[in-house]
Amino acid sequence: GESVGLHLPTLSVQEGDNSIINCAYSNSASDYFIWYKQESGKGPQFIIDIRSNMDKRQGQRVTVLLNKTVKHLSLQIAATQPGDSAVYFCAERGQGAQKLVFGQGTRLTINP
Amino acid sequence: DAGVIQSPRHEVTEMGQEVTLRCKPISGHNSLFWYRQTMMRGLELLIYFNNNVPIDDSGMPEDRFSAKMPNASFSTLKIQPSEPRDSAVYFCASISGTGYDQPQHFGDGTRLSIL
Repeated sequence: GESVGLHLPTLSVQEGDNSIINCAYSNSASDYFIWYKQESGKGPQFIIDIRSNMDKRQGQRVTVLLNKTVKHLSLQIAATQPGDSAVYFCAERGQGAQKLVFGQGTRLTINP
Repeated sequence: DAGVIQSPRHEVTEMGQEVTLRCKPISGHNSLFWYRQTMMRGLELLIYFNNNVPIDDSGMPEDRFSAKMPNASFSTLKIQPSEPRDSAVYFCASISGTGYDQPQHFGDGTRLSIL
């Protein structure tokens, strides 16, 4: 979960298409994962979370997939809308820990 | 429901001045986290409190930074003296209990510019 900074990876999708945002996490002992959405000028907003004893969880228009074998997390957004434009962060928490470790973020832009 | 409230939203001050950032967590939440966000380093945890007690301050950059939580509804992050490299957006987040298996709720941050 080390941050890189300066240039965020960017994903551009057409309005109405599905978006998939990927995240590789670092700690194999992490057992709780969260996706946050951050709009310009605002704080990170909770989207969905998943525990390590699950491999998939669905919310409203969003699905999180967890692959512990390759330490990979993804966020799927169905029927992407202009309001989905934001930076999306994954975060992991080590077993028994309170601290979240954030990924670098991915900027999602929506083409009309 | 009132979320996490931070003040001020923006702060511009000259190098060397003292800066105090304030946070009111969500009522009933008893863990509070201070983060700093920059383009270079992303979102970094500075310090967190459980039941008003500092638990881990290993992310605090140096002695110029200090944080307090005098009661369950208020916390401050102070920088004295401030330096241009402290310019960043500072976020506060809170959570109920010790936060296991629960998401942290963030405020909208304080954008700090040190000239």
